[in-house]
Amino acid sequence: GQNIDQPTEMTATEGAIVQINCTYQTSGFNGLFWYQQHAGEAPTFLSYNVLDGLEEKGRFSSFLSRSKGYSYLLLKELQMKDSASYLCAAKTGANNLFFGTGTRLTVIP
Amino acid sequence: KAGVTQTPRYLIKTRGQQVTLSCSPISGHRSVSWYQQTPGQGLQFLFEYFSETQRNKGNFPGRFSGRQFSNSRSEMNVSTLELGDSALYLCASSPGDRGERKLFFGSGTQLSVL
Repeated sequence: GQNIDQPTEMTATEGAIVQINCTYQTSGFNGLFWYQQHAGEAPTFLSYNVLDGLEEKGRFSSFLSRSKGYSYLLLKELQMKDSASYLCAAKTGANNLFFGTGTRLTVIP
Repeated sequence: KAGVTQTPRYLIKTRGQQVTLSCSPISGHRSVSWYQQTPGQGLQFLFEYFSETQRNKGNFPGRFSGRQFSNSRSEMNVSTLELGDSALYLCASSPGDRGERKLFFGSGTQLSVL
């Protein structure tokens, strides 16, 4: 079966760094997506990792270790607008996306 | 380019009724996927349509069905509604190439079943 785990909630301070972890067990794994979803809005694409390593995109970075079934999203210089849910999704060989339940991040002043 | 458009934004139905949700993908996108989002379960994959054909299907009962038209617009239908069907239904489009799975989501239809 498919299983994706990520923490339900996290809180961090404005200006700080936060790391959101995601572990997955999927058959035919073929890549890992991160999406951001503000309350009442559509999820928006943040990053896609298919190879091991760190991908950096401005304040956001994403890391993947295929051998460990592990990924994380790193958010630097946190801003209040970063308060949102962060969704981890594994792409399988069947070209489906399986999502975790999401991590709700609250940024406090 | 206009984004993914879903209508209606909100729906209230009663048990036993049926409902049809609509999704217009980004122009040029040929793949439309549907997801159900609930607080406890996250996003769960319903099905994907590509060129008017269902290409992938999740583990939902047959009460959930969909279709896609020649202009790539898609509809999702849920018959004999149950209380547990209350959820946010999200539609996502992508160009459709097998190697490309970056999805562009609509804002969803919030369905409440009373």
